Amino acid sequence: SAVISQKPSRDICQRGTSLTIQCQVDSQVTMMFWYRQQPGQSLTLIATANQGSEATYESGFVIDKFPISRPNLTFSTLTVSNMSPEDSSIYLCSAGTANTGELFFGEGSRLTVL
Amino acid sequence: AQSVAQPEDQVNVAEGNPLTVKCTYSVSGNPYLFWYVQYPNRGLQFLLKYITGDNLVKGSYGFEAEFNKSQTSFHLKKPSALVSDSALYFCAVRDRTGGFKTIFGAGTRLFVKA
Repeated sequence: SAVISQKPSRDICQRGTSLTIQCQVDSQVTMMFWYRQQPGQSLTLIATANQGSEATYESGFVIDKFPISRPNLTFSTLTVSNMSPEDSSIYLCSAGTANTGELFFGEGSRLTVL
Repeated sequence: AQSVAQPEDQVNVAEGNPLTVKCTYSVSGNPYLFWYVQYPNRGLQFLLKYITGDNLVKGSYGFEAEFNKSQTSFHLKKPSALVSDSALYFCAVRDRTGGFKTIFGAGTRLFVKA
């Protein structure tokens, strides 16, 4: 298994600003992903964080709005840029290995945009 | 495209009774199938997975799930529910054919009454 640390755990931000969420995994993993979740609802995949290269974004998500870095196997960041109230959500970092398949999740970062 | 359906928004069961949370999937080829649980204000926790082999898989906290290829289902079960099982449960699928991304169902809220 893997333990995933995410920070900040929550933040309140002003419209138009940007926030970077950090994700640290305690063991080497193959895959890292970023999801978005409205409280009590399902998870929507934002992107796959690729080590040393540009992230792979899902439909409806773009790099200018959600830039992602993954400089090594165990660390990734997600930035939510030029925030609006519609970006208020929980952002979840997840990681796993290709051969086992299951994902491990951080506790999430609850973002409120005023 | 892969997809997961959880037809029940909510399942209510009395403590000590058996529980079932339903899941059906659509994916090309043979999938990896997963169940995750989310407690309030927490990230997701992995419960169990089906990769190959025995159609009945056992997981954490006494949960099990049965893979049925003909019905494309992967229902979560537990012989005797506990109040502490009350949580949000997600079924998820990963395509074997090349991508590593995992798609989640809408979630089913389980209430176990004492």
